[in-house]
Amino acid sequence: GENVEQHPSTLSVQEGDSAVIKCTYSDSASNYFPWYKQELGKRPQLIIDIRSNVGEKKDQRIAVTLNKTAKHFSLHITETQPEDSAVYFCAATMGGGKLIFGQGTELSVKP
Amino acid sequence: DAGITQSPRHKVTETGTPVTLRCHQTENHRYMYWYRQDPGHGLRLIHYSYGVKDTDKGEVSDGYSVSRSKTEDFLLTLESATSSQTSVYFCASTGGPNTEAFFGQGTRLTVV
Repeated sequence: GENVEQHPSTLSVQEGDSAVIKCTYSDSASNYFPWYKQELGKRPQLIIDIRSNVGEKKDQRIAVTLNKTAKHFSLHITETQPEDSAVYFCAATMGGGKLIFGQGTELSVKP
Repeated sequence: DAGITQSPRHKVTETGTPVTLRCHQTENHRYMYWYRQDPGHGLRLIHYSYGVKDTDKGEVSDGYSVSRSKTEDFLLTLESATSSQTSVYFCASTGGPNTEAFFGQGTRLTVV
């Protein structure tokens, strides 16, 4: 079926360390892969996205990599700060414009 | 935030009653989505729309129906609410399948 798997479900790091979250998707035709951050009690908001014609994209401390052959994509956060603590979701578009999300990763950055 | 709002923001209802949640966007977005968010399950797609009167099922559509008679409005109906439908519901909209989706503020629904 159409699904996105995300790991780990929880991640705890020390301030200043890097954090990596990984996702796999099922539909080989998927070509858009956004990442969302959701702070407690708030709506999810886009932090970065990547399209299938690109292997890597960076925005300051955040980067996303995509391996279309393996159907994997990952979020990398460097120099983590306490304000990075939140739930992060990966997603992929499937047939018909369906936008499917992973199960989420709760990131905790300890000062 | 893009102009996307949900109503109501909170609702408590009794088992067996019908409930309708509304999502309204002012961005002229073609695609609209309804998700439910439960601990450990992330955001699960209930139904989505790819145009006026064009809708399709998502991962967890049983017990839910939708309607989209205007570009700006996407309604989610729980035909006969059950306790398992207690959740936080988010709608989202986007202009195209490969562009940013914007979320509403969420609706916390409790079925007692």
